[in-house]
Amino acid sequence: KAGVTQTPRYLIKTRGQQVTLSCSPISGHRSVSWYQQTPGQGLQFLFEYFSETQRNKGNFPGRFSGRQFSNSRSEMNVSTLELGDSALYLCASSVSGQGERNIQYFGAGTRLSVL
Amino acid sequence: DQQVKQNSPSLSVQEGRISILNCDYTNSMFDYFLWYKKYPAEGPTFLISISSIKDKNEDGRFTVFLNKSAKHLSLHIVPSQPGDSAVYFCAASDNFNKFYFGSGTKLNVKP
Repeated sequence: KAGVTQTPRYLIKTRGQQVTLSCSPISGHRSVSWYQQTPGQGLQFLFEYFSETQRNKGNFPGRFSGRQFSNSRSEMNVSTLELGDSALYLCASSVSGQGERNIQYFGAGTRLSVL
Repeated sequence: DQQVKQNSPSLSVQEGRISILNCDYTNSMFDYFLWYKKYPAEGPTFLISISSIKDKNEDGRFTVFLNKSAKHLSLHIVPSQPGDSAVYFCAASDNFNKFYFGSGTKLNVKP
């Protein structure tokens, strides 16, 4: 079974630009979560999508948005990039299940550098 | 507001000895806890979990202990091996499929 796939692996953008990151979950997984990892901050939760609906949201500004398609693939968009957005962006998928105990499986991440 | 904290950024242990990684949390609504291991250039991989109805869970060399009254959990690795060298994240979840991660502890197991 293929794992979680994130594309691209690396991105370099300049301030003010926008960027779209993609995530393909494990087959059969309906929940996709996005995290931002920066040095010393651990993984900061961005949002979670389930059945094409945003189910949970973290404390990030509106410049960060996402969506999920009917095949459970998800995209994350960051508009008006700032230097502080430079980070590793991780996507994780799980089977489903509010109320169920889930294990999240992570992709390798997209390393975004904002110059 | 960091609801899950790993106060030790790094830990160095000799091969064959015990590694103990610690994690504290503040939210009493958390009822499911996980440990992940992360190698450079890879995503975190699931290691072991524990439900709040238990205080211990074992899987081979890995044991997780949960102290609910202290809001503290720990991961014990016995015996430690050089291949265990990685960054370890603890995570906690409430009933809403939202996970809160600590900042990680970098474990170095010396041969």
